[in-house]
Amino acid sequence: DSGVTQTPKHLITATGQRVTLRCSPRSGDLSVYWYQQSLDQGLQFLIQYYNGEERAKGNILERFSAQQFPDLHSELNLSSLELGDSALYFCASSVGSSGLEQYFGPGTRLTVT
Amino acid sequence: GNSVTQMEGPVTLSEEAFLTINCTYTATGYPSLFWYVQYPGEGLQLLLKATKADDKGSNKGFEATYRKETTSFHLEKGSVQVSDSAVYFCALAGGTSYGKLTFGQGTILTVHP
Repeated sequence: DSGVTQTPKHLITATGQRVTLRCSPRSGDLSVYWYQQSLDQGLQFLIQYYNGEERAKGNILERFSAQQFPDLHSELNLSSLELGDSALYFCASSVGSSGLEQYFGPGTRLTVT
Repeated sequence: GNSVTQMEGPVTLSEEAFLTINCTYTATGYPSLFWYVQYPGEGLQLLLKATKADDKGSNKGFEATYRKETTSFHLEKGSVQVSDSAVYFCALAGGTSYGKLTFGQGTILTVHP
């Protein structure tokens, strides 16, 4: 158990809908990272927050947004969902902001039908 | 930009065989290198890491040495077990990819009794 929690574990929704994925980092970790894992794209970095501020951005679509709250949990919002958004979404956390030694949650499997 | 290339898989071995999974990278600056493992239905777990040239990371019988001259970080284990069956990801962080992990495509390892 990495100490990173993600909810829900599974999510099934229809095209055009909006969903919110939640992540709680390990105790003491200030950085939260979001990754998308799909069969065709592999593991792709989406976005990083450090202590409430956006720190780094990767291949995140404009339909997707994230935030980190004062209690350090983070939410990833996915809107206008398309079939191609079906993937595993992982959250990771680390103490600092450098990206070193990230601990991953169990993931949320999103299926868009 | 930074990139990681892993050997093509899948890899199938018999128990107690020697394992090598090749990993090479392209990066500017001085990245840190990692191997992560993903067991079926689970998130990624940090297996080992190396933060500078010639460092050797090791854990659970697995080893990898950071070779700057060949830009490689090959994963090895002397005697694999059925329980090692998983997907292995090579990754880098730091350098110019501050704040995110860049992953290879993953190598599926299956070990038969």
